[in-house]
Amino acid sequence: DGGITQSPKYLFRKEGQNVTLSCEQNLNHDAMYWYRQDPGQGLRLIYYSQIVNDFQKGDIAEGYSVSREKKESFPLTVTSAQKNPTAFYLCASSPSWGADAFFGQGTRLTVV
Amino acid sequence: GQQLNQSPQSMFIQEGEDVSMNCTSSSIFNTWLWYKQDPGEGPVLLIALYKAGELTSNGRLTAQFGITRKDSFLNISASIPSDVGIYFCAGHSSNSGYALNFGKGTSLLVTP
Repeated sequence: DGGITQSPKYLFRKEGQNVTLSCEQNLNHDAMYWYRQDPGQGLRLIYYSQIVNDFQKGDIAEGYSVSREKKESFPLTVTSAQKNPTAFYLCASSPSWGADAFFGQGTRLTVV
Repeated sequence: GQQLNQSPQSMFIQEGEDVSMNCTSSSIFNTWLWYKQDPGEGPVLLIALYKAGELTSNGRLTAQFGITRKDSFLNISASIPSDVGIYFCAGHSSNSGYALNFGKGTSLLVTP
């Protein structure tokens, strides 16, 4: 089946540790995105990639890092510099930049 | 990103009632998208709108791209319990480099 797969579904992290969230798509989409969702809030853009080997900061990039070495993969690292990392993280992709975006099922990160 | 004002914030309705929600922006948008999110899941694209004045239906859902290109609405007719969830408007604007911006969502609760 074609789609976007995020793993793991739930993730627990100790304060001070980096953690990497996985996002894989087999839709042959060029563009990929990471959003953060907090209760009662909309989705806020962390990083995006318009094409492989390229990525740009979104509105709330501080404390996060990404890579786009393969077209199908766009992992997000939440570093210890992120002051409030507990949130629901959503990965999305679109055929091209500016086209309709489709989402994965999300990863809920909890810092303990 | 561009600010999208979505209203109402929440709605409590009885099964069978019609629902209307809207989204406005201070700047012109090139596309308007409506998503539905179930608890703990990623948003699912319901309707996409690409031209000012466009009116599009998807089953009991109808959405319109405002003539001014600064607003959109979503109507749900004859609501059923499975309509429960959070509905997000989103859009692309040249002002934000065509990044996908989201409203804060409308939480819909349908009582039998």
